[in-house]
Order: sequence, then structure tokens, then C-alpha cells
Amino acid sequence: KAGVTQTPRYLIKTRGQQVTLSCSPISGHRSVSWYQQTPGQGLQFLFEYFSETQRNKGNFPGRFSGRQFSNSRSEMNVSTLELGDSALYLCASSPRDRTYTEAFFGQGTRLTVV
Amino acid sequence: AQKITQTQPGMFVQEKEAVTLDCTYDTSDQSYGLFWYKQPSSGEMIFLIYQGSYDEQNATEGRYSLNFQKARKSANLVISASQLGDSAMYFCAMREFNRDDKIIFGKGTRLHILP
Repeated sequence: KAGVTQTPRYLIKTRGQQVTLSCSPISGHRSVSWYQQTPGQGLQFLFEYFSETQRNKGNFPGRFSGRQFSNSRSEMNVSTLELGDSALYLCASSPRDRTYTEAFFGQGTRLTVV
Repeated sequence: AQKITQTQPGMFVQEKEAVTLDCTYDTSDQSYGLFWYKQPSSGEMIFLIYQGSYDEQNATEGRYSLNFQKARKSANLVISASQLGDSAMYFCAMREFNRDDKIIFGKGTRLHILP
């Protein structure tokens, strides 16, 4: 059974550009969450999608957005990139609604903004 | 206030020894779950073990066990017979079922296993 797949693994972008990151959850998982990890702030929750609906959102500016497709794959978009957006972006997939006891992460996308 | 507190930023342990990574949490919910993850230098977050707030037995998964003390709001990870490959960052995390579906992470403990 394939794990959570995030693409691309590495990205270098220039300030002001936009970027789209992709996450394919484990087959059968319907919940996808996104996290930003930086050395200073640690792991911070961005948002969660379930059945193509955003169920929860963290405390990030509107430049951060996402969506989920009918096959549960999710994309995260960051517009007007800032240097502070440089981070490891992790995606997690979960098997069930509400009462899941497992959350599996992908390898992450390391974004560098220059 | 921090919801998840990991007081050990770094630890050095001799190979083959057991190691305990501390984690305390703060919640007013009765229904919650506690997770431990391992993050090697490659960056991926590896799920290790889960403990539900209503689970009466401490969770175990191979060499990993979770020392769950509900009254003290403590969920320490115990790794038995440590190996060199255990060197990594370890994160304690919590999900409050009656609130939302996000997982809240602690700041992590960097574990170094010495040969």
C-alpha cells in the first residue's frame, strides 16, 4: 500500500511568486491536513480537508489556500511568496472522519524563497 | 499556554539503553488522542504510537511504549534497547476530539544515540 506522496520534494521560488504543492493521501483516506514546519515556530497547522471541504483552518494569512479533489488528492497554494514562507510543508492523511487514531505524513516539500 | 510541552530539547543516550522522552499536555476535553512521531533528518514524519484518553492500557508498539498518566496529563514515550537509527527528532502531539481535527505538536526532543 503506497504511503502519502508529496510533490515536489524541493522547490526554490522568488519573492512575489506563487507556488502549488501537491499531496496524494493513502488510498482510502479521505482526510488531508497540511502543516508548516520552521525552526522558529515548529509545526503549525494550516488547514484540513475532508470530502473536498475545508473543515478547519489554522492562523495563516489568506495567501495560503488549498483544495481537495474528488479522489482525495489535495493541493496547497501560496501566493505572493515571502521569505518567511521558507519551510518544510508536510501533508498528513487520515483514514476516518473525526475519530481517527492514526495520521500518516508524507516526506514533505521543502520550499525555499529567495 | 502551550498545549504540548516537551521539556527536553536534546538528549544523549548510549546505544542499547532505554530512553524516556517526556511529554505533558494541557486540555479540558475528556476525549482526546496522543501521538508520538519520529522525524529523521530526511524530514518525513513517522508515526510511532497512539494513546486514546479512554484507553486504560498503555499503548505499545514493538520497542515503543507510551507511559500514560492521565491525572498528571503526561504521555512519555519509552524506547527500549535504543539503536543508532533511533537518532532523530521526536514530537509529541495531541488531538482534541471535541474541538477540531488539527493535531497540535510539541517543540520536539532531539535524541542522539551514542555508539
